[in-house]
Order: sequence, then C-alpha cells, then structure tokens
Amino acid sequence: KQEVTQIPAALSVPEGENLVLNCSFTDSAIYNLQWFRQDPGKGLTSLLLIQSSQREQTSGRLNASLDKSSGRSTLYIAASQPGDSATYLCAVSLHQTGANNLFFGTGTRLTVIP
Amino acid sequence: GAVVSQHPSWVICKSGTSVKIECRSLDFQATTMFWYRQFPKQSLMLMATSNEGSKATYEQGVEKDKFLINHASLTLSTLTVTSAHPEDSSFYICSARDRTQGETQYFGPGTRLLVL
Repeated sequence: KQEVTQIPAALSVPEGENLVLNCSFTDSAIYNLQWFRQDPGKGLTSLLLIQSSQREQTSGRLNASLDKSSGRSTLYIAASQPGDSATYLCAVSLHQTGANNLFFGTGTRLTVIP
Repeated sequence: GAVVSQHPSWVICKSGTSVKIECRSLDFQATTMFWYRQFPKQSLMLMATSNEGSKATYEQGVEKDKFLINHASLTLSTLTVTSAHPEDSSFYICSARDRTQGETQYFGPGTRLLVL
C-alpha cells in the first residue's frame, strides 16, 4: 500500500525566506506526483504536476523536484510571501491505476510571517 | 480554467437525517468524478470513484449503502450521506476529470458537514 509522508507538519518562516517542503512515498512505481495548496476550509489548487519521467517542474517562484528511485519530492518556494501561507499537500498516482486514485500526504502547514 | 463547484459549502444536520451534496463541473464534461473525505488535520482519503452512467466504485471500508453516489450526467455527481451520525462529520471534497485534458483532476471547494 502506498504511503505518503510530508515533513515537516508545520513550518513558520519570516517573509522573504526561501524554503523547502519534503514529501516521501513508499512505492516508487508512480505515474505522477502533484503538489497542491489548500487554504483553510477550502478545496485544493493544483500547483505543479511532475510526470514519472520528469525530474522537476517550475512555475513562478515554485520549483518541484522528483527522485522516483528514492521515493522523494521537494517543493521549493523562493522569496516567500504572506500570501503563501496555506497547507501544502503532495499526492502520488500509482502506475497500476493511472490517475484514478491519488494518495495524499498529510500536508505541511506553512505560515509566512510578515 | 476548469471549474468544479460544490453545494452546499457547509451543512449542519441532526443525527439520523440524510444529506445530499452536489458536485458540478461548470465548464467541462467530467466522465469521472471522485469523492474524498478529510478529517481534521488528516489527509484526503478517496471514498469512491463515480463514472457517468454507471455505478460508483467504492474504496475498501466505505459503506456504499450509507454513502450513495449518483453520476447521472456529465456535469453532475451527488453524494448522499444517509442516516448521518456524528462520526460522519467531516470535510467532503469532490474532483472531476476532464476527458479532453487527460488525467488531471480538478477539485471542488469542499463541503463541511456537521452532524449533531
């Protein structure tokens, strides 16, 4: 069974700092990996999607990397802003089931202090 | 971009009553919709996969008679929590897959259910 772990569970940083969020998964036979943002009491917003054949994806101040063999992904946020405060979730989709089933981590709650 | 809505956004009901939650894809046709449940400080757990015009596929441990799912059209799926109990209180999120966009899932804003 796929297990997805995110470390740390919570993180507070001053505005302007660069930061890294970590995600690890137990079954390396993944189809893709996604990073989502969830604001309190809200749904999910997809940030980046990395296919299993890719090593990284970039969008603005966000960069996600994927090391499938070691079962790890990182989300790098540059020059953090208070508006980045949210819970960040990573999710993997297993190769066997395609994208029909996403396995989510428990998230990292990020607070950027002005 | 693809938009998914849910209604209601929150609901409070008495124990023993049934609650229906709607999930709509507003600007695309969703051949498949997914229902997730999220307990406080926990991750999203897939409850069921709903394909238009066919019966939903439930994950292990999810009671199909308690969580009724109907996907009658390409833009609407409903989740009915029957005879709700306090332990059913949770955040329910749906997602929809756009056939023209491959396998990307677009998530709704969620429905918070509180059963008294």
